[in-house]
Amino acid sequence: AQSVAQPEDQVNVAEGNPLTVKCTYSVSGNPYLFWYVQYPNRGLQFLLKYITGDNLVKGSYGFEAEFNKSQTSFHLKKPSALVSDSALYFCAVRDPTSNTGKLIFGQGTTLQVKP
Amino acid sequence: DGGITQSPKYLFRKEGQNVTLSCEQNLNHDAMYWYRQDPGQGLRLIYYSQIVNDFQKGDIAEGYSVSREKKESFPLTVTSAQKNPTAFYLCASSIVRGSTDTQYFGPGTRLTVL
Repeated sequence: AQSVAQPEDQVNVAEGNPLTVKCTYSVSGNPYLFWYVQYPNRGLQFLLKYITGDNLVKGSYGFEAEFNKSQTSFHLKKPSALVSDSALYFCAVRDPTSNTGKLIFGQGTTLQVKP
Repeated sequence: DGGITQSPKYLFRKEGQNVTLSCEQNLNHDAMYWYRQDPGQGLRLIYYSQIVNDFQKGDIAEGYSVSREKKESFPLTVTSAQKNPTAFYLCASSIVRGSTDTQYFGPGTRLTVL
């Protein structure tokens, strides 16, 4: 079965420090991986995706993610956190062998950036 | 959120009532999706549609129904058969179902059963 795990319910960092939000996945075949961010009572905003190619993917708002096939991970990173980065972050995977287009989401990680 | 609108933003339902959530997109996307979000559970797929007049059940379709009479519209009806409908509902669309294309989300509707 395809699955995504975000092992941390909450991540706390100080403003200006680097941040990492972790994601691991389990799919058959090569995965398509996505990161979204959600602010309170809002829809999800797309940050970045990995389909193929360079393992380091750059996205919106200075975020990047590193695809690691051997560790089945796709961690989200940012070199210097901002208070405005505080939000709920979702990792998602699409099984490329499926024809449904369905995204499988992790349970989400709340990022708190303190001044 | 741009290009996908959902209404209403907040919806209150009495037990036994059916309610319909609206989703409209002006992105000319072929595929549309409905997800349900509950705290600590991520998002789960309710229904999806690739083309007009065609849709398929997702993982948690029981108690829900949809229609796709127009490319830009994909309304979701929460019926009285849905035992625990209180949740945040998100509509999404993408260019083509099953491709590498990104799904873009609307702002959501929060449904509360009184």
